[in-house]
Order: sequence, then structure tokens, then C-alpha cells
Amino acid sequence: GENVEQHPSTLSVQEGDSAVIKCTYSDSASNYFPWYKQELGKRPQLIIDIRSNVGEKKDQRIAVTLNKTAKHFSLHITETQPEDSAVYFCAASIDRVFGNEKLTFGTGTRLTIIP
Amino acid sequence: NAGVTQTPKFQVLKTGQSMTLQCAQDMNHEYMSWYRQDPGMGLRLIHYSVGAGITDQGEVPNGYNVSRSTTEDFPLRLLSAAPSQTSVYFCASSYLGPDNEQFFGPGTRLTVL
Repeated sequence: GENVEQHPSTLSVQEGDSAVIKCTYSDSASNYFPWYKQELGKRPQLIIDIRSNVGEKKDQRIAVTLNKTAKHFSLHITETQPEDSAVYFCAASIDRVFGNEKLTFGTGTRLTIIP
Repeated sequence: NAGVTQTPKFQVLKTGQSMTLQCAQDMNHEYMSWYRQDPGMGLRLIHYSVGAGITDQGEVPNGYNVSRSTTEDFPLRLLSAAPSQTSVYFCASSYLGPDNEQFFGPGTRLTVL
């Protein structure tokens, strides 16, 4: 099955600086890569996702890049703010037409923004 | 729309007891799933369902059963609780499958003594 590795497990950055979280996946058939944010005591929520026909996607201060050849994808947060402090999870899924109906998550990155 | 709801929010069980965690969604989503969240291990898939009457195992299914008799409800049953099942449990639903946005419930914190 799919294996998703996520690094680093913890990350502290100064407010206003950029943060980068990286994930690698094992199954070359994976083609959907979402990122979820989980604030303390809350449920995970989708912040951005990318599909394999796109190399980069941006939404205001967040962006995701995908390198299918190397089987890795990254989350970039620019101009970080205190409200960006949370745990971030990457995930990977194979297109359901291949019969796999599972979403596999990474182990998470705890991001702390230092004021 | 209430979205995805879960009950109870907290539960304490003794080893060997059984219980059912409830999950319901009002978005008419076909795909529903259960995850457990443990420190340092991310979200691990327990069971999932692609529609009423269809369920399948995820990454960590042992000790858990599910059923999907309606589109709205997807209960998770612990047959004989063990301390290793102490965790936070999240139910999620999405349109069609895992390659769309997952909407998570608020979670159930379970402690097994």
C-alpha cells in the first residue's frame, strides 16, 4: 500500500518568515495530494490540494508544489502569522478508477510561529 | 447543514467492554471513513465505505467493525476494548471518494482503562 513520509515533525519560524513542509510518497499511481491543518483540539480541515496534472498551486499565502518524478510534494507558507500555528498533515490518494479508495496521511508537522 | 457529527465527545471504557461510536453526515456524501489519531502517528485509516451496504478495511482494522445501512450513518463498533485502542477517533465524509475534500467530524476521545 501507499506510504507517506513527512518532514520535519516540528518546525518553528519567526513571524513573517516562510515555512516549508515536505512529504514523499511511495506509490507512483498516486495522483491526489491534499494538505490539512489541525488547530489544537479541533478537527482537521483542508487548506489546499493538488492533482498530478498540475505542478504548483497557490492560494494567497500558501502554495503546494509537486514533483511526480521524485515522488515528493511540499507545502509553502509565506509571511507567516500567529494563526498559522497548528499541526499540518499531508496525504496521498490513488484515483478511485484504479479501485483504491484510501487516503493515506503523513505523520504531521507541528508548526509554531514565534511572535 | 450540521455537516459531520460524532457522539459521544468523550468516553471512558474498561478493558473488555464494547461500545459504538456514532457518525452521521447530512451532505449526501457517498464516501465515509474512520480514522484514529495517536501522537506522532498521524491519522490512520480504520475502515471506509464507498456507499450504503459497502465497507472495506483500512490500515488498522483489527478490533473494530463497521456497517453502512444508510448513506447518512457510519457507526464504528469496538468489540472488546483494549488499552491500545485509547485514541482520538475521527469520522470523515466526502463526495464520491478519497480524492475529494474530506469533511471531518469533531472527534471522539476514547480512553480504555
